Amino acid sequence: GNSVTQMEGPVTLSEEAFLTINCTYTATGYPSLFWYVQYPGEGLQLLLKATKADDKGSNKGFEATYRKETTSFHLEKGSVQVSDSAVYFCALSYGGSQGNLIFGKGTKLSVKP
Amino acid sequence: KAGVTQTPRYLIKTRGQQVTLSCSPISGHRSVSWYQQTPGQGLQFLFEYFSETQRNKGNFPGRFSGRQFSNSRSEMNVSTLELGDSALYLCASSLREGGDTQYFGPGTRLTVL
Repeated sequence: GNSVTQMEGPVTLSEEAFLTINCTYTATGYPSLFWYVQYPGEGLQLLLKATKADDKGSNKGFEATYRKETTSFHLEKGSVQVSDSAVYFCALSYGGSQGNLIFGKGTKLSVKP
Repeated sequence: KAGVTQTPRYLIKTRGQQVTLSCSPISGHRSVSWYQQTPGQGLQFLFEYFSETQRNKGNFPGRFSGRQFSNSRSEMNVSTLELGDSALYLCASSLREGGDTQYFGPGTRLTVL
């Protein structure tokens, strides 16, 4: 079946460090891929998305590239801030009648000043 | 434009009771999806409603049900509550059925005692 696997957390970084959170997926066909972020006590916010192979999604300094050959969608940011501390979820969806999001387990990021 | 709203934000029930949660989507959005978030199982899809019809359903028992009204507002109901139903219930809305960008509400935290 379709699934998403994320690197286990928690991830602890110092401010201005480089961030990579690995995400790989198992799916047939060509799903859309997403990164969502959840701040403490809040719901999920869409961070970025990519809808086809080789697309790069980007937002607020975060980037991820849809790599079909490696079935990956790794999240990167060049310089993290304390305010980036949150839980990050990788997800996939086919849209239409299979539009539900399938999520990874989430990766908790803590950024220290 | 107002975001997705969910009421109530917190709820405490006892085993055997039933509960109804409410979700108001972003204005103009016609699709509403529900997800359950627990520490053990992560984020799992419950169901999606579009034009007052359930279009997609996850793997949950029949105790979990929902409906959508003509104004796109949605409710989900859980009957005969079990301890394992304690979770954060998240509602998401999108413009169309299986719309590839879902916008989440803050969630309802349900505790079953």
